[in-house]
Amino acid sequence: AQKVTQAQTEISVVEKEDVTLDCVYETRDTTYYLFWYKQPPSGELVFLIRRNSFDEQNEISGRYSWNFQKSTSSFNFTITASQVVDSAVYFCALGNNNAGNMLTFGGGTRLMVKP
Amino acid sequence: DTAVSQTPKYLVTQMGNDKSIKCEQNLGHDTMYWYKQDSKKFLKIMFSYNNKELIINETVPNRFSPKSPDKAHLNLHINSLELGDSAVYFCASSQGRSNTQYFGPGTRLTVL
Repeated sequence: AQKVTQAQTEISVVEKEDVTLDCVYETRDTTYYLFWYKQPPSGELVFLIRRNSFDEQNEISGRYSWNFQKSTSSFNFTITASQVVDSAVYFCALGNNNAGNMLTFGGGTRLMVKP
Repeated sequence: DTAVSQTPKYLVTQMGNDKSIKCEQNLGHDTMYWYKQDSKKFLKIMFSYNNKELIINETVPNRFSPKSPDKAHLNLHINSLELGDSAVYFCASSQGRSNTQYFGPGTRLTVL
């Protein structure tokens, strides 16, 4: 069975602070995929990044960066110099090659960035 | 152009009614999904479907059924609605297995 844990249910920061959202996953599959999605107050789910299990290279995209560590089964997400527009619920998700390609989502972390 | 669209955006109905939510994608993807997001924001897969197979999450009641008239559409039919069905339902699509899923805007269903 797959499981994704986002231990931080809610984080509050002041604008321009850096913030890291934690994600820990469990799977028995050797090939799997990790994702982050953003759900702003408007409610839609916005794809941010995908990582394959065989690619542990970290990634940076503007103010966003992701740290994938198989040794600790973690896929953490850092926002540098946070902005009010970053306020949202962020979901980490786990997928695999099995039938259905069904994603298992973590419980989400609500990030509030105050001006 | 919207990649994955859902109608309606809001749906309010009485217990016991039957309702449908429509989903369309113009990404040319071959696999579509339905997810349920409950009041605590928890997202759970309901169905995965392509033209070859339907995969059903075992926890989904058989009152829920997906229907796909063609590759670009996957509608969700719900019979005998119950209070506990109130949630936001998201449609998603991807190209093949293991690829990134793109989500629709969601349909907020309220059962009174």
